[in-house]
Amino acid sequence: GQQVMQIPQYQHVQEGEDFTTYCNSSTTLSNIQWYKQRPGGHPVFLIQLVKSGEVKKQKRLTFQFGEAKKNSSLHITATQTTDVGTYFCADPTNDYKLSFGAGTTVTVRA
Amino acid sequence: NAGVTQTPKFQVLKTGQSMTLQCAQDMNHEYMSWYRQDPGMGLRLIHYSVGAGITDQGEVPNGYNVSRSTTEDFPLRLLSAAPSQTSVYFCASSSPGQGLYGYTFGSGTRLTVV
Repeated sequence: GQQVMQIPQYQHVQEGEDFTTYCNSSTTLSNIQWYKQRPGGHPVFLIQLVKSGEVKKQKRLTFQFGEAKKNSSLHITATQTTDVGTYFCADPTNDYKLSFGAGTTVTVRA
Repeated sequence: NAGVTQTPKFQVLKTGQSMTLQCAQDMNHEYMSWYRQDPGMGLRLIHYSVGAGITDQGEVPNGYNVSRSTTEDFPLRLLSAAPSQTSVYFCASSSPGQGLYGYTFGSGTRLTVV
């Protein structure tokens, strides 16, 4: 089964608001990756976090790795319609294969 | 364009038919994987390969076969299609130490088994 669990499964956001999606693991992760899949599209790599407590930013997206390396979060500021899609976290503990969470599907109200 | 190419994009099969989903990458990636995506279940690993001639099972391998005769190609075979195999299939590739770039995914094959 899936090693990483994501919450919430669905996130409905008013345009301009902020939101956060979470990824939790039952085991300590070496790294964690995040992907975005637009509706009808394929997953696209966003970022990898490696260090305990690491925070990385990509424009309005802020990614954080927990101190114990068992959880991660993605925070989006001032949501735009271009943020619509499903965000997945993935465990690359085995470098040659990924274990994905079920994803958070984001819809935006204009 | 460099990347992962999947064919066909859409396919309808009758129960019991066989077919091969094609996947090719031109990035000289060693690692290749097949995932299926079903609503609410994320991406589940079917089979993966760490190099030519080497394959292994993932989380949901039953009903699927793979081979990796070259670095570039990693076809997925359905021997006797079942309605439970209706899904979107993604092929992905990467290289050792790929953390900076992650996995590159193909555009997917949408398969319906009737």
